[in-house]
Amino acid sequence: NAGVMQNPRHLVRRRGQEARLRCSPMKGHSHVYWYRQLPEEGLKFMVYLQKENIIDESGMPKERFSAEFPKEGPSILRIQQVVRGDSAAYFCASSRDDRPGGEQYFGPGTRLTVT
Amino acid sequence: DQQVKQNSPSLSVQEGRISILNCDYTNSMFDYFLWYKKYPAEGPTFLISISSIKDKNEDGRFTVFLNKSAKHLSLHIVPSQPGDSAVYFCAASANAGGTSYGKLTFGQGTILTVHP
Repeated sequence: NAGVMQNPRHLVRRRGQEARLRCSPMKGHSHVYWYRQLPEEGLKFMVYLQKENIIDESGMPKERFSAEFPKEGPSILRIQQVVRGDSAAYFCASSRDDRPGGEQYFGPGTRLTVT
Repeated sequence: DQQVKQNSPSLSVQEGRISILNCDYTNSMFDYFLWYKKYPAEGPTFLISISSIKDKNEDGRFTVFLNKSAKHLSLHIVPSQPGDSAVYFCAASANAGGTSYGKLTFGQGTILTVHP
């Protein structure tokens, strides 16, 4: 029973390039969450998606960032025209539902480095 | 605007003793609280949670206490083991208008080191 999978684990991009981060939720999970962890900080919520729907994107920067969770395939977090400040660890989590206190299972993260 | 705060960046404890990790929050809308454990280069792993209608929840060596009036919670680990050495994150969620609990707000984390 595979857990949450994220790829790539490490991604290096030059300033101005695009970064695409992928997340495959646990089997049977239809709720996906993306979080970002900057160095020496806690995880910050970015976006919450269900299949084909964005439920809460209150943590997403208004520009250059987008997320999707299509009917088929993994969830994608896309960062256009990356800048050095985008360097961080990006974690994806999934859950079976969004019941109160429901556990979110986290992937190993993608470490993005912008040079 | 740090709504969940873990004021101790690190904690060092002897094996077999109690580890107490603390967390404070400011948003009175939070009604579920969770603790996650994180090893380097891995994602956070869920440990234990507590609803705001309770003041204590216990699971094996882990107990979480909630003091709503003080907006404070703590995680007790007894007895502490070297394998418990990790970063511990406190997180909170709120019912966003009755629609979802999806968003977790995390503290900055506390590095726990348990010495043999």
